[in-house]
Amino acid sequence: DADVTQTPRNRITKTGKRIMLECSQTKGHDRMYWYRQDPGLGLQLIYYSFDVKDINKGEISDGYSVSRQAQAKFSLSLESAIPNQTALYFCATSEGTEIYNEQFFGPGTRLTVL
Amino acid sequence: AQSVTQLDSQVPVFEEAPVELRCNYSSSVSVYLFWYVQYPNQGLQLLLKYLSGSTLVESINGFEAEFNKSQTSFHLRKPSVHISDTAEYFCAVSEKGAQKLVFGQGTRLTINP
Repeated sequence: DADVTQTPRNRITKTGKRIMLECSQTKGHDRMYWYRQDPGLGLQLIYYSFDVKDINKGEISDGYSVSRQAQAKFSLSLESAIPNQTALYFCATSEGTEIYNEQFFGPGTRLTVL
Repeated sequence: AQSVTQLDSQVPVFEEAPVELRCNYSSSVSVYLFWYVQYPNQGLQLLLKYLSGSTLVESINGFEAEFNKSQTSFHLRKPSVHISDTAEYFCAVSEKGAQKLVFGQGTRLTINP
């Protein structure tokens, strides 16, 4: 089984709908991240969490919210989806407290907002 | 603030040819540098990283990158590519003491037979 899983893998929704993307990990890592990937822009950090009680905004948090339900679960919500949130979304985890530790990525969720 | 520029969005090469993927960064302090690889329909995987010490770092599958402080570069090279190297490659930087990575725009490496 994969260490970092994301559900759903693909989602098509309409403008204005609320949507939640879920991430689960079995690696036992404290740190979790949400990124979005757009062609030609690379990955941009949306939110990151150092533990259940520590959540931080990334570069592009507007329009998004997150919930760290447990060490293993980190969910990303779009309260009112808009077309420019169409992107590939990745969850990642890392061990310990050092930024140079490897980040382990999930397979991604492809979101389309019509 | 830290930033990363990957100078080529796409690099097509023939199988068994050498390849160089270019990465330049901007930072006023010491940095950690990374190359991640994304194979088709997968998440990113760490390929190699530079933290300190020897400026030349290597991966297990034949890639290497050299940290050049004076040119603020961390170019990725492989002397002979294989079809299986087809992927998108991302350079990333983190300033020492920072809490997040900044990724470049990505370079799509296409290997032609």
